[in-house]
Amino acid sequence: DGGITQSPKYLFRKEGQNVTLSCEQNLNHDAMYWYRQDPGQGLRLIYYSQIVNDFQKGDIAEGYSVSREKKESFPLTVTSAQKNPTAFYLCASRPRTNAEAFFGQGTRLTVV
Amino acid sequence: RKEVEQDPGPFNVPEGATVAFNCTYSNSASQSFFWYRQDCRKEPKLLMSVYSSGNEDGRFTAQLNRASQYISLLIRDSKLSDSATYLCIVKTDSWGKFQFGAGTQVVVTP
Repeated sequence: DGGITQSPKYLFRKEGQNVTLSCEQNLNHDAMYWYRQDPGQGLRLIYYSQIVNDFQKGDIAEGYSVSREKKESFPLTVTSAQKNPTAFYLCASRPRTNAEAFFGQGTRLTVV
Repeated sequence: RKEVEQDPGPFNVPEGATVAFNCTYSNSASQSFFWYRQDCRKEPKLLMSVYSSGNEDGRFTAQLNRASQYISLLIRDSKLSDSATYLCIVKTDSWGKFQFGAGTQVVVTP
């Protein structure tokens, strides 16, 4: 089955540590996105990538980094510079020709 | 002003009633519009695209008003299972950035 997979589903991190969230899709989609959602809030765009080896900052990129070495993969690193990293992180992808976006099931990150 | 704005609600709706809410956008060049549904602690899922002429999918009707720059979603004959947060998405540039509204919470009560 084609889809978009995020792992892990739950992640706990100690303060001061970097952590990488995985996002893989086998839908052959060109564009991939990372969003952050805080309780009771909407989705805020962190980074997005339209093509391999290229990505753009979204509205809240500070303290995060990404890479797009393969079309299928768009990992997000939450660095120690992110002051309030506890949130629900959602990855999405969409093809170039169809505007609809598909989401992974999300990773819930908690800083302990 | 935010690029995409929604009334956060909650809209408390008796079962069987009709509820409608809007999503306003600021960029008049916006090209594509969608409604997504998000259940608590889950990922958003596409509910329906919004076409210029308006479109209907069962009990759900979506409309686009370009002059006033908003889209709307109407739910008829509300079911308990319609309780969720409804997110609008506005595609603001050629095909890259995907901008979300903060969501409208709908609570359908027995």
